[in-house]
Amino acid sequence: GQQLNQNPQSMFIQEGEDVSMNCTSSSIFNTWLWYKQDPGEGPVLLIALYKAGELTSNGRLTAQFGITRKDSFLNISASIPSDVGIYFCAGPTGNQFYFGTGTSLTVIP
Amino acid sequence: DAGVIQSPRHEVTEMGQEVTLRCKPISGHNSLFWYRQTMMRGLELLIYFNNNVPIDDSGMPEDRFSAKMPNASFSTLKIQPSEPRDSAVYFCASSLGIRGGYTFGSGTRLTVV
Repeated sequence: GQQLNQNPQSMFIQEGEDVSMNCTSSSIFNTWLWYKQDPGEGPVLLIALYKAGELTSNGRLTAQFGITRKDSFLNISASIPSDVGIYFCAGPTGNQFYFGTGTSLTVIP
Repeated sequence: DAGVIQSPRHEVTEMGQEVTLRCKPISGHNSLFWYRQTMMRGLELLIYFNNNVPIDDSGMPEDRFSAKMPNASFSTLKIQPSEPRDSAVYFCASSLGIRGGYTFGSGTRLTVV
């Protein structure tokens, strides 16, 4: 199956700091999705990207579709405690999405 | 819409017992997915259905696992007999096509003792 590697695996940051994470794939995608999973809940879609180079924002979140189409980036500005959770990237092959290994984010008040 | 509804939220069972997990997808969605999440392996796709038909069950770990979708509004994932290594969180997700991504349920946390 597809290999989607996310970096870093985990992050511990102070409230108010900015966060950057990325996702790389072994093949080209035409769509990138970013999900967030709160503790004890299912993943929730944050941002969808459909075009190489596309930059899309959702509040304090900004995601970019890499030019090579093999990577994507997610930034969170001015982190707050409720940003804690696991962030997943996902990309499609055929009729299904493959999910990355996840980046676990801890925000220290 | 109430979203994807899974039941039960938590299940504790003894090894060897049969376990049935249930899922109600979002009305109008034509694809349904069952995932398993563990610390070691992350999110693993077990099986997915399109228009109630199983399309890819290559992720089902072994014959003890089976899934059905008798109609567009209901699916089950059954484990018989259950084993301790089946302990995980099982998610159901649904979608309409692929472009908009999946909507996940809240999951069923299964513990087999």
